[in-house]
Amino acid sequence: SQQGEEDPQALSIQEGENATMNCSYKTSINNLQWYRQNSGRGLVHLILIRSNEREKHSGRLRVTLDTSKKSSSLLITASRAADTASYFCATENSGNTPLVFGKGTRLSVIA
Amino acid sequence: NAGVTQTPKFRVLKTGQSMTLLCAQDMNHEYMYWYRQDPGMGLRLIHYSVGEGTTAKGEVPDGYNVSRLKKQNFLLGLESAAPSQTSVYFCASSTRLETQYFGPGTRLLVL
Repeated sequence: SQQGEEDPQALSIQEGENATMNCSYKTSINNLQWYRQNSGRGLVHLILIRSNEREKHSGRLRVTLDTSKKSSSLLITASRAADTASYFCATENSGNTPLVFGKGTRLSVIA
Repeated sequence: NAGVTQTPKFRVLKTGQSMTLLCAQDMNHEYMYWYRQDPGMGLRLIHYSVGEGTTAKGEVPDGYNVSRLKKQNFLLGLESAAPSQTSVYFCASSTRLETQYFGPGTRLLVL
């Protein structure tokens, strides 16, 4: 069963605006990852945040992790039309099991 | 480096037919995975492998078999295809249970 639940399911914003996506999960994790999927393509890894980290940056991406609330957020600043894609969170749970992916957030950035 | 490649890219089967999907990676990764992606369902793990000669069941293994005879290859077999197996299949690989690298996907239609 899926561990992460992304929210919202779909998001539409104007170019230049910030996009925020959230992920909630249920069990203890070793790390949480965000992936991006362009239409019809495979997933591409964006960023990994470990359970002992609270915030991480990569270019225009900012990820936060709140283990007490079992939630994470992905912020894309100054969005571009090329950011249009689906974004998935995935958790590596304590217990040495494979990543569990959520159902994703579809982001549309309108030029 | 080609990364992760999948063969074929697209296939149409009739109910009851069999086929094998091939995944190959050139990154010397120990771990390999097969997922299926259906609309609104995110990615669901079918089978995975933590090394040559080993396989394990994921979330939705029924109707599928896998083999990992060589470290760089992971095969997914459908012995008797059913319409419910119409999906997009993704292969991925990783060095351990962290960042996964995905192939471009195989679209399978079972009539």
